[in-house]
Amino acid sequence: DARVTQTPRHKVTEMGQEVTMRCQPILGHNTVFWYRQTMMQGLELLAYFRNRAPLDDSGMPKDRFSAEMPDATLATLKIQPSEPRDSAVYFCASGLGKTSVHADTQYFGPGTRLTVL
Amino acid sequence: TQLLEQSPQFLSIQEGENLTVYCNSSSVFSSLQWYRQEPGEGPVLLVTVVTGGEVKKLKRLTFQFGDARKDSSLHITAAQPGDTGLYLCAGPRHAGNMLTFGGGTRLMVKP
Repeated sequence: DARVTQTPRHKVTEMGQEVTMRCQPILGHNTVFWYRQTMMQGLELLAYFRNRAPLDDSGMPKDRFSAEMPDATLATLKIQPSEPRDSAVYFCASGLGKTSVHADTQYFGPGTRLTVL
Repeated sequence: TQLLEQSPQFLSIQEGENLTVYCNSSSVFSSLQWYRQEPGEGPVLLVTVVTGGEVKKLKRLTFQFGDARKDSSLHITAAQPGDTGLYLCAGPRHAGNMLTFGGGTRLMVKP
């Protein structure tokens, strides 16, 4: 049963510290997405990769956030320095990236719950 | 900007009741999806509707896509505690494989 995996599941850190979240997309998927979810803002898209190339990061605060795909099996999201307002659940999702006008299915990981004190 | 608005935001009902939640937009979408998110997990796709007026059934869940492809509804018959969760609608953005998500309806079904 192929699944998206994310580590760590929970992270508590202090303001100013660097945070790195990791994601392993489903093998064979060529699109990867990073989302942030809060009660107030809902699910927000932070970054979108296709074939490991970043195609959209317009939703990501550029001064402190960065997203990369070092290889096809690993996507990372870094926050440096972290701030209390970054506290949220961060989800990674992957998809087949079908070229169609219709919505492509996204498969979500279990998320990383980040708390910045 | 394509926005999806979901209503109600919160819904608490007793087991056995029926309910309908809505997803509305002023924009036309080529398709809409419904995801369910259980506590501590990521969203999971329930269904994709692609044709205006289309109705899809998934056991006790009935999904409808509006004729004008600007809205969708999810009806649950005889709700069960296992239906508890956050229901999200999503539609494709103009370009690429990105999705726009609605704010979600948080459903609680009490035994």
